[in-house]
Formats: sequence, structure tokens, C-alpha cells
Amino acid sequence: NAGVTQTPKFQVLKTGQSMTLQCAQDMNHEYMSWYRQDPGMGLRLIHYSVGAGITDQGEVPNGYNVSRSTTEDFPLRLLSAAPSQTSVYFCATTRGRQNEQFFGPGTRLTVL
Amino acid sequence: RKEVEQDPGPFNVPEGATVAFNCTYSNSASQSFFWYRQDCRKEPKLLMSVYSSGNEDGRFTAQLNRASQYISLLIRDSKLSDSATYLCVVNSISGTYKYIFGTGTRLKVLA
Repeated sequence: NAGVTQTPKFQVLKTGQSMTLQCAQDMNHEYMSWYRQDPGMGLRLIHYSVGAGITDQGEVPNGYNVSRSTTEDFPLRLLSAAPSQTSVYFCATTRGRQNEQFFGPGTRLTVL
Repeated sequence: RKEVEQDPGPFNVPEGATVAFNCTYSNSASQSFFWYRQDCRKEPKLLMSVYSSGNEDGRFTAQLNRASQYISLLIRDSKLSDSATYLCVVNSISGTYKYIFGTGTRLKVLA
């Protein structure tokens, strides 16, 4: 049981490039989400999904796309990377009576 | 005003000390409350949920004060390994999965 996995761990992009951050969970949870974490700021919600085929925007969705074709996977796509998207990205899922969140190890992204 | 506010610290305390953190939230309809621990360059990890009646887990005690809209975390007998950033998290809208994170309070336990 790996929990929540994310790939890659590190990535450097040039402005304008596209890429997909991968997130997978093996806990069969319906809810998954993507956050970004920047210095001096709390984690901010980018997009979330309450189940396969259902996604919605969070606080900072601009510049990011998501899809949820299976319960296990929730990829985050950057269509045209910008330096402002340099950040650490965390994927999370929920479980428990109070819907506690559990995070993947993160992807450190630098956009030059 | 931020939805969730924490004192950023750092709190530097000697081993064995008791330390307390507070976190205030602005949405009185908030339903779920959590403390997370985040080590440097790692993902946040759930420390404990915060229940209305307060709850304890070993050396850690969490309290909720709905009237004043704050939650607290008390760490007794601090260990060097408690050094980390502690994040306050609030589920801001009942029945949804929208969590609001505080910016965190840094704790450094000194030998």
C-alpha cells in the first residue's frame, strides 16, 4: 500500500513548455486534490475531484488543467509554464471520519 | 483578514519545555479542524484532528474554542524531533472538501 505517489520529484522547465505532474493513490478514495506551496503562504488549492469524471476549480486554477478518468489517477497539466508557477506541488486524498487529508511527497517545479 | 492565521514564529524552546500554538479562523461556519506537521522539504503529515471537546494524543493536546474562533496545540515535554512547522487547517465550508491552510508556525527545540 503505497498511499499517494507523485512523479516526478523534481522538474525544471523553460517558460512556455508544457508538462504533466502525475499523482496516483491506491486507497480507492474518491476525493483527490492538488495544492501548491510557496514561501510565506499556506498551501493553496488548485483543483480537486470528488470522483472519476468530476473535477472542480480551487483557489488558484489559472494555468492548470486536470482530468480524472480513474479513481486512482489525478494528473495536473501545465499547458504553458510560467516562472510564477515555480512552486512545490502536493497531491492529496482524504479519508477518515473527519475527512483528514493525506499528501503525496510533492513535486518541486522550477520554471526558468 | 486571512481566513486562517497563525503566528509564524519561530518558537525556540529548550528540550522538555511546554509550548503552545494558537490559530484563528474567520469563518464561523467552519466544521473541521486539523493540525499538520511539516518537516523541511517534506509533505504535510496529519498530526491530529481537533474535536469540539478537545483531544489528546500522548504529549499533544488540541483544543477548539468556537466562541473565539481559534484552535490551539499544546506540546508537552518537547523533544528535538518535534522541531518542524505546524500547520493549522480548517475545512471552511460544511459538506465540502475545501480546506484552508495557515502559513504555519515554526518550532525549533534546542538541546
